[in-house]
Amino acid sequence: DIQMTQSPSSLSASVGDRVTITCQASQDISNYLNWYQQKPGKAPKLLIYDASNLETGVPSRFSGSGSGTDFTFTISSLQPEDIATYYCQQYDNLRWTFGQGTKVEIK
Amino acid sequence: QVQLVQSGSELKKPGASVKVSCKASGYTFTSYAMNWVRQAPGQGLEWMGWINTNTGNPTYAQGFTGRFVFSLDTSVSTAYLQISSLKAEDTAVYYCARDPYARAARPFDPWGQGTLVTVSS
Repeated sequence: DIQMTQSPSSLSASVGDRVTITCQASQDISNYLNWYQQKPGKAPKLLIYDASNLETGVPSRFSGSGSGTDFTFTISSLQPEDIATYYCQQYDNLRWTFGQGTKVEIK
Repeated sequence: QVQLVQSGSELKKPGASVKVSCKASGYTFTSYAMNWVRQAPGQGLEWMGWINTNTGNPTYAQGFTGRFVFSLDTSVSTAYLQISSLKAEDTAVYYCARDPYARAARPFDPWGQGTLVTVSS
């Protein structure tokens, strides 16, 4: 099975900062990579699909990039409402794997 | 609107069984697959497997074979997760999540609100 290594596990940043999270796959997954946001006590919400496509209704400060094994998720200007845990998810051959998650906090 | 509504929280004793439901509305049930995801307290997301809503064929992730069963009732657009011989380590929130068969990375959207299953004597 494909393994996903997500980093960092947590980060603290100021409002307005640029925040970057990375995910590395154990083998080439093309662009089969999605990103989710999960706020405490809530279900995850899809933000980015196919590595770089912004889901409808998601603010443009969120973006994703990468292909193959290395992927990046960016919040261009951190807002208080972005406090959450973010997960990458890969899809390969009818199976999915999540990264370990990155908890984002306000400094 | 498209939504998945799950059944309520459950408190079970070790060795018992539980059946969680996930009722879909706002779309054609058989046009999308259904996945199940576990989240243990304070932990990350763990994909449990999925069920083909056209054929009823389930696929289970490693670690979720034997005691875990996915099923459907397409007449009421509902997917089910049954867990038997419950153990304390099954205590978790269980989510259902829809995925589109035809999209490249088959993202999960939307998700149900989650069902907390607590296993305690």
